[in-house]
Amino acid sequence: ETGVTQTPRHLVMGMTNKKSLKCEQHLGHNAMYWYKQSAKKPLELMFVYSLEERVENNSVPSRFSPECPNSSHLFLHLHTLQPEDSALYLCASSQDRSGRAKTGELFFGEGSRLTVL
Amino acid sequence: GQSLEQPSEVTAVEGAIVQINCTYQTSGFYGLSWYQQHDGGAPTFLSYNGLDGLEETGRFSSFLSRSDSYGYLLLQELQMKDSASYFCAVLIYNQGGKLIFGQGTELSVKP
Repeated sequence: ETGVTQTPRHLVMGMTNKKSLKCEQHLGHNAMYWYKQSAKKPLELMFVYSLEERVENNSVPSRFSPECPNSSHLFLHLHTLQPEDSALYLCASSQDRSGRAKTGELFFGEGSRLTVL
Repeated sequence: GQSLEQPSEVTAVEGAIVQINCTYQTSGFYGLSWYQQHDGGAPTFLSYNGLDGLEETGRFSSFLSRSDSYGYLLLQELQMKDSASYFCAVLIYNQGGKLIFGQGTELSVKP
């Protein structure tokens, strides 16, 4: 139990569907992140929120739309995805933008496994 | 840009010592972190090196040499439960801190 909860754990959707991934952290952290993990590839940073304000969008296609209504919740809205978007989507949080005391310490959820048909 | 290189797979036997290397190319960074991820699980933070040298935490140690653009994770007294993927990551200066990950090393511990 990392203190970061992601739902759903598994999601299958068609290319025309609209769905959302949810992340909740119970750690009192100020920063939250979305990462994409594909097989045999490094974790790719998608979005960073600090104090509910989006501070980075890593050139992610507009079919991925993040939302951070408060410091404990983060969503990733999905629409008109492509099969190559199938991956594990990981949410993480940290006490501040750089991880606790700039140690790069992030707390990850277990991820949402997305399959796009 | 930034890039990190790790071996894709390492195999070792129970009780042995294994070293997972990480070489990087990046301009300006705070330090090097290591994460462990079991199959189907969340990546979990293992260690951080902000300065050159060795950091020890129980059976795990991590090392950084900025002059060589190189670091490693050392796992001693290997146990079956250590079978997992291990990622190095650099915390770069960009925009107040951004964590860039390597592709991961899959460690298999055999009896």
